Amino acid sequence: ETGVTQSPTHLIKTRGQQVTLRCSSQSGHNTVSWYQQALGQGPQFIFQYYREEENGRGNFPPRFSGLQFPNYSSELNVNALELDDSALYLCASGWGEGSVGDTQYFGPGTRLTVL
Amino acid sequence: GNSVTQMEGPVTLSEEAFLTINCTYTATGYPSLFWYVQYPGEGLQLLLKATKADDKGSNKGFEATYRKETTSFHLEKGSVQVSDSAVYFCALLKAAGNKLTFGGGTRVLVKP
Repeated sequence: ETGVTQSPTHLIKTRGQQVTLRCSSQSGHNTVSWYQQALGQGPQFIFQYYREEENGRGNFPPRFSGLQFPNYSSELNVNALELDDSALYLCASGWGEGSVGDTQYFGPGTRLTVL
Repeated sequence: GNSVTQMEGPVTLSEEAFLTINCTYTATGYPSLFWYVQYPGEGLQLLLKATKADDKGSNKGFEATYRKETTSFHLEKGSVQVSDSAVYFCALLKAAGNKLTFGGGTRVLVKP
C-alpha cells in the first residue's frame, strides 16, 4: 500500500506568480484535504475534496483553488502569490462519506517560498 | 468555533523521563481527537486517536484518554527516547466538512 505523495518537495516563486502543487492520495482513499502550515504553527485547513467536489473550505481567499481527479489525485492552485503564502503545504487523504469524520493520512508536504 | 489549545514548548527532557503534553479543546458535540507527530523536515504522522468519551488511544508507548468532562486529551509516555524528539500536534475532527483543527504544536527535545 503506497502512502500519500506530494510534488514538488520544494518550490521558490516570486510575488504575483501562480503555483500548482500536486498530491497523490493513499490507495483506496476518496477524500483529499489541503492544509497550510506556516513556520512554527499548526496546520490550517484550506479545503477538502470528496468525489471530485469541494466538500468544505477554511478561511482562505478564492485565489486558493483545487481539483480532485477521478483517480483521487489532487492539485492545489494558488494565484497572485503573496509573501505570506510562504509555508509548508500538506495534503491529507482519507476514506469518508463526505459527512463522517475519519482518520486523515498526511503526505510529506511541499515547502513553498515566495520572494 | 472549534479550537485546540496545547501547552507551549519547548519541553526538554532526559532520556527515560516521563512526558506529558496537555491538550484541551473547545467544540460542540462529540469530536474525534488525534495526536500527530512531526519529525524535522517531514510531514505529519498519525500517532493515536480516540473517537468517543473515555476511549484511550495508544501507540509506540504513547497514550491519551478522551475526557469529555474536562474537554482534554493529554498525551503521555512513561519513558521517552532521543528518537521521540519531534513536534507533537493535538487535533480535533468534527464530522461536518471533515476539517481537522490543530493546536499550535509542542516541541519536545529528549537529551541522552
